[in-house]
Amino acid sequence: EPEVTQTPSHQVTQMGQEVILRCVPISNHLYFYWYRQILGQKVEFLVSFYNNEISEKSEIFDDQFSVERPDGSNFTLKIRSTKLEDSAMYFCASSDRGRTEAFFGQGTRLTVV
Amino acid sequence: AQKITQTQPGMFVQEKEAVTLDCTYDTSDQSYGLFWYKQPSSGEMIFLIYQGSYDEQNATEGRYSLNFQKARKSANLVISASQLGDSAMYFCAMREYTGFQKLVFGTGTRLLVSP
Repeated sequence: EPEVTQTPSHQVTQMGQEVILRCVPISNHLYFYWYRQILGQKVEFLVSFYNNEISEKSEIFDDQFSVERPDGSNFTLKIRSTKLEDSAMYFCASSDRGRTEAFFGQGTRLTVV
Repeated sequence: AQKITQTQPGMFVQEKEAVTLDCTYDTSDQSYGLFWYKQPSSGEMIFLIYQGSYDEQNATEGRYSLNFQKARKSANLVISASQLGDSAMYFCAMREYTGFQKLVFGTGTRLLVSP
């Protein structure tokens, strides 16, 4: 069964460093998303991406964040200068027509020290 | 703005019994979808069931069913014949079909199934 794949599963980084979280969405999907979940809290929307551009972003997704689809398969989230409060689980998701469920990757747990 | 409310932070159920997890939502859109996801302790988000706002029948997927009451704006998840492996966090989510259709999640309900 096709699945969304995220790497790495866990990343520890020092405050102020740049991190890139990687995702391979399901191959025929057109809509891509990043969400984050701070430990013990609800899942929050960060950004959606469609037709090679950002279609919507939340207030959390400030200038420190960027997304790219550098080739036909990968979808990345970059955090330029990490802060302690960026520590969270980051989920990538994809869906096909948008009117169906989004399939989530297994998540990347980011720990900023 | 869309909003999802899950009022039960935790629920307990005995194995083999049925349990209902509550979810209410708020939206001004006529066209939207409601979703339930399961998050086990390992952290991944597992899609369980989907209900479209225009679907007349309640959705069912195996032991999961969604009790959709549109006038009350509720979309409760019913798990029949609970199993120990059902112990997890359960999130209700909504997607409006205008815009680019992000999912908005509730705060979740932690379900514990006891033997």
